Amino acid sequence: DIQMTQSPYSLSASVGDRVTITCRASQDIKKSVAWYRQKAGQAPELLLFGASRLESGVPSRFSGSGSGTDYTLTLGSLQPEDFASYYCQQYYSLPYTFGQGTKVDIK
Amino acid sequence: EEQLVESGGGFVRPGESLRLSCAASGFSFDSYNMNWVRQAPGKGLEWVSYINSASNRIYYGDSVKGRFIISRDNAQNSLFLHLSSLRAADTAVYYCARKGSGFGGYLDLWGRGTLVTVSS
Repeated sequence: DIQMTQSPYSLSASVGDRVTITCRASQDIKKSVAWYRQKAGQAPELLLFGASRLESGVPSRFSGSGSGTDYTLTLGSLQPEDFASYYCQQYYSLPYTFGQGTKVDIK
Repeated sequence: EEQLVESGGGFVRPGESLRLSCAASGFSFDSYNMNWVRQAPGKGLEWVSYINSASNRIYYGDSVKGRFIISRDNAQNSLFLHLSSLRAADTAVYYCARKGSGFGGYLDLWGRGTLVTVSS
């Protein structure tokens, strides 16, 4: 199985801050990575797929990059609704696997 | 509006069984591959199972293989997960999630989940 190592585990930030979350895969996953935001008590929602493709309706302050084994989610300017948990997911091969998650809370 | 609504969760004893359902609406259910993903309390996401639109390709995570069965009824726009030989470690919110229509297994639509609690 492909392991996804996500970091940091948690971070504190303020509204307007730029935030970066990273995921490292245990093998080359050829940009087959998605990012999700999960607000407290809610289901996850897709933000990006294909490492950098923004899902329809997702604000442009979210961006993604990376290739090979290393991928990054960037939130350009944190908004109040962005204080949540974030997960990466590889879909290069089954079983799909997720990173451990990053909780973003208010500083 | 595209929507997935899970049901069937509840409290069960170890070793018992449960059947979860997921009702789809607002899109052509029979054109999409579907998944179950679970989340233990306070923990991260774990992929559980996948079924393609024709029900002829089915996969399971190692932790549930041999105990859970995924199925679907395209005529009823419904996805199911039969859980048997339940363990405390199966306690989680179970989400049904649609695989995106593009290439790859990203999950573009999720239900709100149904909670399964396994305890003696």
